[in-house]
Amino acid sequence: DIVMTQSPDSLAVSLGERATINCKSSQSLFYSSNNKTYLAWYQQKPGQPPKLLIYWASTRESGVPDRFSGSGSGTDFALTISSLQADDLAVYYCQQYFITPHTFGQGTKLEIK
Amino acid sequence: QVQFVQSGAEMEKPGASVKVSCKASGYIFTGYAIHWVRQAPGQRLEWMGWIDAGDGRTKYAQKFQGRVTMTRDTSATTAYLELSSLTSEDTAVYYCARAGRTGVVEGFFDHWGQGTRVAVSS
Repeated sequence: DIVMTQSPDSLAVSLGERATINCKSSQSLFYSSNNKTYLAWYQQKPGQPPKLLIYWASTRESGVPDRFSGSGSGTDFALTISSLQADDLAVYYCQQYFITPHTFGQGTKLEIK
Repeated sequence: QVQFVQSGAEMEKPGASVKVSCKASGYIFTGYAIHWVRQAPGQRLEWMGWIDAGDGRTKYAQKFQGRVTMTRDTSATTAYLELSSLTSEDTAVYYCARAGRTGVVEGFFDHWGQGTRVAVSS
């Protein structure tokens, strides 16, 4: 199985500041045949299901604010929130869909400083 | 709009089975796969498998092989997850989620159900 490891486990950021969450996979998520990277990011607020933010490592889902961006390649990825809003308080997960079982990171809890 | 409504919370005894439903609306049900993902208390999200809502093909995570069954009823646009031989370690919130690309069974998940809480206790 591909192991997904996020860092940090929790992060406190002031409103308006940048927040960066990292995700590392145990093997490359890049498929050369189609030049795509099989990584997604989700946001989960308390008592709610996860919400898709980013797929193909950097494609923003429709309706997701442009302060959210995804980057990275191969085995190292990042989710960046450019200017933190109070509504961004949540746990964030990365997920690989390169192979099954599709696996998730352990989550990063984002708090407001 | 795409929507999934899951069945209500369940409380089961060890050794029993549970069946969770996921009613889909707002899109062509047979055009997408449905995945099941669970979240135990304090644990990361765990993928369980998928069912192609079009042809009924399934693929299960090896961890659940032999005690998980995923089915669908196209006339009711509903997917089902059945898990047998329950133990306390199966206590979790179970989510259905739609594969994000029509005609492609695996991938990211663009819409999720609200979750069904399953508690296993004697």
